[in-house]
Amino acid sequence: GQNIDQPTEMTATEGAIVQINCTYQTSGFNGLFWYQQHAGEAPTFLSYNVLDGLEEKGRFSSFLSRSKGYSYLLLKELQMKDSASYLCAGMDSNYQLIWGAGTKLIIKP
Amino acid sequence: GAVVSQHPSWVICKSGTSVKIECRSLDFQATTMFWYRQFPKQSLMLMATSNEGSKATYEQGVEKDKFLINHASLTLSTLTVTSAHPEDSSFYICSARDPSAGDTDTQYFGPGTRLTVL
Repeated sequence: GQNIDQPTEMTATEGAIVQINCTYQTSGFNGLFWYQQHAGEAPTFLSYNVLDGLEEKGRFSSFLSRSKGYSYLLLKELQMKDSASYLCAGMDSNYQLIWGAGTKLIIKP
Repeated sequence: GAVVSQHPSWVICKSGTSVKIECRSLDFQATTMFWYRQFPKQSLMLMATSNEGSKATYEQGVEKDKFLINHASLTLSTLTVTSAHPEDSSFYICSARDPSAGDTDTQYFGPGTRLTVL
């Protein structure tokens, strides 16, 4: 079956770095997405990886290892506004997104 | 770029009434739009894939006669919740792919519509 696993909740300190891990099992693979979702709002797109390696976008970076079925989202210089849920989603061979349950990130001063 | 809007942002209705939610791609033409539902503290659940000019493809377990989807133009898809009941209360979110973007598989989300059925 298809499955996305990510931690339920993480806590980090303002100004620090946090890594949110995601493991995936999909029928075929057409990429791995990360979205940010603030409470009560729709998700916003953060990153897309389809090749192995690290993609950097400002304070956010995303890594993919296809052989390990593994991705992580790295957030640097954490700010209070980064408190949100971070959703990992894998795209299968039918180009359907398989969603993880999300990781709630709590930032403390 | 790639802005998607939804209307209304929230709606409260009486049980038995129908509610229409609009999803618009503002700066691109979307041949494919998606409708999701999200219950509190749960993951997004895909309800249906909407293709312009053709019938929507519904996910297993989603009643197509209850959740009517119309994708009449390249910038507009509508979801109508017919004869709504309290259990239909949820956060409904649409998304769209921008085929003109280099990253054609990325979905851009609307802000969502919170439906409360009394």
